[in-house]
Amino acid sequence: DSGVTQTPKHLITATGQRVTLRCSPRSGDLSVYWYQQSLDQGLQFLIQYYNGEERAKGNILERFSAQQFPDLHSELNLSSLELGDSALYFCASSVTSGTNEKLFFGSGTQLSVL
Amino acid sequence: GQQVMQIPQYQHVQEGEDFTTYCNSSTTLSNIQWYKQRPGGHPVFLIQLVKSGEVKKQKRLTFQFGEAKKNSSLHITATQTTDVGTYFCAGFRSARQLTFGSGTQLTVLP
Repeated sequence: DSGVTQTPKHLITATGQRVTLRCSPRSGDLSVYWYQQSLDQGLQFLIQYYNGEERAKGNILERFSAQQFPDLHSELNLSSLELGDSALYFCASSVTSGTNEKLFFGSGTQLSVL
Repeated sequence: GQQVMQIPQYQHVQEGEDFTTYCNSSTTLSNIQWYKQRPGGHPVFLIQLVKSGEVKKQKRLTFQFGEAKKNSSLHITATQTTDVGTYFCAGFRSARQLTFGSGTQLTVLP
């Protein structure tokens, strides 16, 4: 158990819908990262937050947004869903946001868009 | 931008054989990390290499960081069925974004 909690574990929805994925980092970790993993794309970095502020942005679509709340949990919002958004979404956390930080991953949310 | 390439994409070995995966970056890395993802699981941190030419060992696993800090390798000696999974290298892009390689999926045949 990494200490990072992601809910829900599975999500099935239809095209055009909006969903929210939730992540609670390890106790004491200030940084949260979101990654998307699909079969043909590997682990793609979406976005990082550190202590409530956005720190880095990767290949995140405009239909996607995220935030980190004062209690440090984070939510990833996916809207106007398309079939291609079906993937495993991982949240990870680290103590700070430096380059020596190792990431602890949650178990992921498997999103299926039908 | 920085690309982290990993080869091979797939590797099947007989139990007891050795296995190596290679990671190459288009730019110099400040450090490199390795993660393992078991089937159906999530990535788990294995190790971080920081110094040029650094070599670290964890039991049957040997990790190397190239002299130019642009490549790395993971070697497993005498594979076991418990080694099954996908191995990812990862390097920081512009000090903010941890970029993962495409991964090497290892299958160990008993």
